[in-house]
Amino acid sequence: IQMTQSPSTLSVSVGDRVTITCRASQSITSSLAWYQQKPGKAPKLLIYKASGLESGVPSRFSGSASGTEFTLTINSLQPDDFATYYCQQYHNLVTFGGGTKVEIK
Amino acid sequence: EVQLVESGGDLVQPGRSLRLSCTTSGFTFGDYGMTWVRQAPGKGLEWVGFIRSTPSGGTTEYGASVIGRFTISRDDSKSVAYLQMNSLKTEDTAVYYCNRWHGSVSYSYFWGQGTLVTVSS
Repeated sequence: IQMTQSPSTLSVSVGDRVTITCRASQSITSSLAWYQQKPGKAPKLLIYKASGLESGVPSRFSGSASGTEFTLTINSLQPDDFATYYCQQYHNLVTFGGGTKVEIK
Repeated sequence: EVQLVESGGDLVQPGRSLRLSCTTSGFTFGDYGMTWVRQAPGKGLEWVGFIRSTPSGGTTEYGASVIGRFTISRDDSKSVAYLQMNSLKTEDTAVYYCNRWHGSVSYSYFWGQGTLVTVSS
């Protein structure tokens, strides 16, 4: 299963609404997770099962799905949110998307 | 407290072998699948492979780029997962992370800090 993530880079400002998309090459039902990674650190789980918010993750993060298209939305971006984001399908083995770097405009 | 600590990363010549360890604590190791993920310098995350929990048979699956060269195993008595890497290539240079499945599902909240493998002559 291929995961196509877009865009690869986003230049945004604090307070902006951010949308990142992952498209699966075939059905993965809702078996999708989103991670945040900062330089030199392990990924941090944000969303599981396409829209489940991991405990402790701010409510400005949300996930949604429509068929094979999955979206991570960050409402009112905060300074701590500048990072790289990855989707991961776990329906059939594991595949990661290519990543989206959210950088300061 | 759940902890995962990778070790064994090193500088190694192409064609040689290396074994990484993922030493865990804070949970019943045998009940969980374990995954290895790598990240080449400046690149994205790449799934290396996983080993299912012991009740699920402890079977393994691998990514296309490492099939036939890498082997994942587990020692439930020591709470350790291993990644045996043979016939290493320069493109295997990466930080290698282990993570623990969430129940019977292979996404993860718990990750190690990573260990660096450099393949170079």
